[in-house]
Amino acid sequence: SAVISQKPSRDICQRGTSLTIQCQVDSQVTMMFWYRQQPGQSLTLIATANQGSEATYESGFVIDKFPISRPNLTFSTLTVSNMSPEDSSIYLCSVVRDYLDTQYFGPGTRLTVL
Amino acid sequence: AQSVTQLDSQVPVFEEAPVELRCNYSSSVSVYLFWYVQYPNQGLQLLLKYLSGSTLVKGINGFEAEFNKSQTSFHLRKPSVHISDTAEYFCAVSENSGNTPLVFGKGTRLSVIA
Repeated sequence: SAVISQKPSRDICQRGTSLTIQCQVDSQVTMMFWYRQQPGQSLTLIATANQGSEATYESGFVIDKFPISRPNLTFSTLTVSNMSPEDSSIYLCSVVRDYLDTQYFGPGTRLTVL
Repeated sequence: AQSVTQLDSQVPVFEEAPVELRCNYSSSVSVYLFWYVQYPNQGLQLLLKYLSGSTLVKGINGFEAEFNKSQTSFHLRKPSVHISDTAEYFCAVSENSGNTPLVFGKGTRLSVIA
């Protein structure tokens, strides 16, 4: 399996500010994804982070609100911009090492917006 | 489009009793099926997966699941549960290859009672 770390593990932020979440993997991976888990809910895919190009966003998620970078094959960031209390969630990155591999998940970042 | 239905949002069960967590899916193409577990305040851990081959899949911690194509189901079972199995369980499906994002069910909260 892949070893995935996320920073920060949790944060409490004020409305209107932005937070950048980092996802670091211990080895090169082909795919990286960002998911959101709202309180008491399941996981929803935000976007696929593409190495060296713009992320691919799912319906309901836009780049201005959730800008994503993936500068190389082991690292990605997700920014939650202009936050509101509705953005309070756990944000998880996941990776796939190569074709037909399983998705492995990071420990998540628990975000609370006041 | 794919979808996953977990029929039970909560399942209470006594310690050492058997348990079955139900999962049904819909998809117009071949699928890969997964069960993940999320312990309190932690990320997701893969329990087991079905890619192809034998329809009975064995995973970690004594769990197993059976893929039933005619009933489009992938129910998770354990013959004897422990207190430590208390967690949220998510069924997920991906299409055609491991490089496609996962679609998750809403989760089943398993509560093991002493």
